[in-house]
Amino acid sequence: AQTVTQSQPEMSVQEAETVTLSCTYDTSENNYYLFWYKQPPSRQMILVIRQEAYKQQNATENRFSVNFQKAAKSFSLKISDSQLGDTAMYFCAFANTGNQFYFGTGTSLTVIP
Amino acid sequence: DTGVSQDPRHKITKRGQNVTFRCDPISEHNRLYWYRQTLGQGPEFLTYFQNEAQLEKSRLLSDRFSAERPKGSFSTLEIQRTEQGDSAMYLCASSLTGLGTEAFFGQGTRLTVV
Repeated sequence: AQTVTQSQPEMSVQEAETVTLSCTYDTSENNYYLFWYKQPPSRQMILVIRQEAYKQQNATENRFSVNFQKAAKSFSLKISDSQLGDTAMYFCAFANTGNQFYFGTGTSLTVIP
Repeated sequence: DTGVSQDPRHKITKRGQNVTFRCDPISEHNRLYWYRQTLGQGPEFLTYFQNEAQLEKSRLLSDRFSAERPKGSFSTLEIQRTEQGDSAMYLCASSLTGLGTEAFFGQGTRLTVV
C-alpha cells in the first residue's frame, strides 16, 4: 500500500521569503511519480510540479523546486520569492504504475504581506 | 475545452435521499477519477474509469455508492440513502493514460446531508 505523509498542517511565510514544505511517502514500487498540487481557497486543484522516481535531478518550475531523496522517501517542495497568490493548501501526491493517485493530508500555506 | 466541470457545485439533501453528481472530463482524457475530500484532509480515492470501464473501487465506496461512465465521456456518481457522514466535497479528475500524466481536477461538488 502507498501512503503519503505531510507532517506540517499549517505554515506561514513572509512575502518574498522562501519556504519548504515536507512530504514523505512509503511504497514498495520502483517506478512512480510524485506531485505537488496546489488548492487555492474555493478553487480547484492545480499541478505545481512533478518528479519521476527514476530521475535523480530535482524538478524545478520557476519559483518552485523539489528536493527528492529517493532512499529516504522524501519529497519536499521549496517555494522561493513567495507571493500572496501562493496562499493555498498544498498536497503531496504519489502516482503508481497505474497512474492511481494517493494524496497526503495537505499543508495550509499562508503568505504574509 | 475549458477543463473538468462538475455539476452541481453545491447540494444540500435530507438524510435518506438519493443524490447524483455529474462530471464532464477534458474531452480527450480516457481516465476519470472520483475522490472524496473532507475538511482538513486530502482527497481520498473512490473509483476510476478507463474509458467506460470501471477499473477499481475503493473500500470506502459502500454499496450505496455507484458510479458510471456509460459512453466513456461524462461520469455520474450516485449516492443512495444518504447519511450525514457522506457530507464532503466530491472531486472529479481526468487524465490521459500513462504513468506521470497530470490529473486535472474539477471544482468539486460540495454535499451537505442534513
